[in-house]
Amino acid sequence: EDQVTQSPEALRLQEGESSSLNCSYTVSGLRGLFWYRQDPGKGPEFLFTLYSAGEEKEKERLKATLTKKESFLHITAPKPEDSATYLCAVYNYGQNFVFGPGTRLSVLP
Amino acid sequence: EAGVTQFPSHSVIEKGQTVTLRCDPISGHDNLYWYRRVMGKEIKFLLHFVKESKQDESGMPNNRFLAERTGGTYSTLKVQPAELEDSGVYFCASRLGGSPTDTQYFGPGTRLTVL
Repeated sequence: EDQVTQSPEALRLQEGESSSLNCSYTVSGLRGLFWYRQDPGKGPEFLFTLYSAGEEKEKERLKATLTKKESFLHITAPKPEDSATYLCAVYNYGQNFVFGPGTRLSVLP
Repeated sequence: EAGVTQFPSHSVIEKGQTVTLRCDPISGHDNLYWYRRVMGKEIKFLLHFVKESKQDESGMPNNRFLAERTGGTYSTLKVQPAELEDSGVYFCASRLGGSPTDTQYFGPGTRLTVL
C-alpha cells in the first residue's frame, strides 16, 4: 500500500532561518509527487509537481527536490507569511492521490 | 475567475440526520474530486468524477455516502444517516482535464460536526 510520511510534524523557525521539510514515500510506479500549502480554514493550495528523481522546481523562497524515496521542500530565508501547513501527496499508476499528514511551519518575526 | 466553492462552510448535525454538501468546481473543469480529513489525520481521497460519471469511488467509506454530479457541473455529497465518525473537513477539488497529474484546485472545505 502506498504510504507518505512527513517530517518534522511541526517546525518553528526564526525569520531568515533556512530549513528543509521532508516527505518520504513508498509507492510503486510514481507518476507524480505534489507539494501543497494549506492555511488555517482554507483548502490546500498547489505549489509544485515533481515527476522524476533528480527534478527540482523553485518558486520564490521555496525549492522542491525529488529522489527515488523522498522529496524535500527547502525554504530559504523564510518570512512570517510562509507560516502554514505544507502537505505532500503522491499519485501512482492505477491508484489515487495519497496525502501525507503535513508539516506545520511557524516562522517567527 | 472564480475558484472552487463549497457550501456550507460549516454544518453541525445530530447523529442519524442527513447532510448534503455541495461543491461548485471551476467553470469548465471536467474532473471533480472529493476528499476528507478526519480527526486531524491526513487528507483521504473519496471519489473522482469525470463530467457526470464516477471515474473512481474506491475511497467512499460505506453506502451511507452518496455523491452525484448531475449535468457534469456542481456536485453534491450526501451523508445519510450521519455517524459520529463522519465528522471532519470535506474538501472538493477540480481539474481542467488531461493528465491526472495536472493541477487540482481545492475549495475551502466544509467542516462537518456530527453530535
